[in-house]
Amino acid sequence: LAKTTQPISMDSYEGQEVNITCSHNNIATNDYITWYQQFPSQGPRFIIQGYKTKVTNEVASLFIPADRKSSTLSLPRVSLSDTAVYYCLVGDQGGSTLGRLYFGRGTQLTVWP
Amino acid sequence: DGGITQSPKYLFRKEGQNVTLSCEQNLNHDAMYWYRQDPGQGLRLIYYSQIVNDFQKGDIAEGYSVSREKKESFPLTVTSAQKNPTAFYLCASGGQGTLSYNSPLHFGNGTRLTVT
Repeated sequence: LAKTTQPISMDSYEGQEVNITCSHNNIATNDYITWYQQFPSQGPRFIIQGYKTKVTNEVASLFIPADRKSSTLSLPRVSLSDTAVYYCLVGDQGGSTLGRLYFGRGTQLTVWP
Repeated sequence: DGGITQSPKYLFRKEGQNVTLSCEQNLNHDAMYWYRQDPGQGLRLIYYSQIVNDFQKGDIAEGYSVSREKKESFPLTVTSAQKNPTAFYLCASGGQGTLSYNSPLHFGNGTRLTVT
């Protein structure tokens, strides 16, 4: 299973853009990169997933360079409600490895007024 | 609305007792999972099941047992053999057969188990 490295914590202020970078040096050819968000005492929630280049949805953008050894989750104009733990996961979500994804400690993002 | 339901939200037990945590999903997902989360830590996989009547051990299966008699249900039993059972337990589901590739996991809101 490909492991990931991300900052333990980050701080930001309301209205700013936040970029959280994740390192995954041993990513395999079939692996996708997925980000989840978790609030206290709740289960993680899917944010975005990508394989290469850039993916954007209504919540976030995901930037993946050509070598795919890292990725950056970008949250535009954060608010207090974006305070949460963000997990970067790498894995082949098909077949027998579905769900065997490495959840590290994630990045605790704190947004201040 | 489709979703995944864990019950109860809080559970208290005495040491030495077995306890069963419920997980039900109506998302028609083939695969279901149990994770454990300790304070300030990430999620660790306990057991997972990709199809009815079949399941595999995850990374920390000792002291736990599961069953998958129905597609919708994947209960987890924390046995008295589990040395440190107090934790936050999360159930997840994902994938629909051949469409499972790259489908994200859907999580329940967890059960917080306290054993004294």
